[in-house]
Amino acid sequence: NAGVMQNPRHLVRRRGQEARLRCSPMKGHSHVYWYRQLPEEGLKFMVYLQKENIIDESGMPKERFSAEFPKEGPSILRIQQVVRGDSAAYFCASSPNGLAAYEQYFGPGTRLTVT
Amino acid sequence: GQQVMQIPQYQHVQEGEDFTTYCNSSTTLSNIQWYKQRPGGHPVFLIQLVKSGEVKKQKRLTFQFGEAKKNSSLHITATQTTDVGTYFCAGIPPGGYNKLIFGAGTRLAVHP
Repeated sequence: NAGVMQNPRHLVRRRGQEARLRCSPMKGHSHVYWYRQLPEEGLKFMVYLQKENIIDESGMPKERFSAEFPKEGPSILRIQQVVRGDSAAYFCASSPNGLAAYEQYFGPGTRLTVT
Repeated sequence: GQQVMQIPQYQHVQEGEDFTTYCNSSTTLSNIQWYKQRPGGHPVFLIQLVKSGEVKKQKRLTFQFGEAKKNSSLHITATQTTDVGTYFCAGIPPGGYNKLIFGAGTRLAVHP
């Protein structure tokens, strides 16, 4: 049973370009969470999605960031017009249920570097 | 907003010594989870605590949830080099769904 998959694992973008990060949850999981981790820091919640719905985007910056989880295909975290401060590791996690009783399974992360 | 504080930030121990990391929330939590992240890796779930005053053990690891459900600790007995990594607590605020508020983590270094 494949775990949570993220691609690309490493992404380099120049300032002003767009970054697209993909996440395929574990089989049978319909709940996806995105987190950002700056070097030497903990993970910061960004957004929680179910299929075709954004449930909580309270951790997303108001501009340039967007997320989706379409009916078919992976969840996408999109960062437009990247800046150096966007350089971080972005982790996606999935769970079978959104209730608090369930652990989250994390993907390997995408390390974004903005030059 | 809700915050989860974790101390210490770093801990260096000799192999065989014990290690403890502490987690405190600014508000009452529904549940608390603990994760371990190896250098360059991703967080891996260790355990979840739900009940007030709960204590759970996994081999050399002991996890506690405070009576007020605002603090938690992880204690490792007789550390080994395989324990190296960063240990994160993650609180789930009351309200239903599984939104994790992570502490900053404690980075453990074990010297042989």
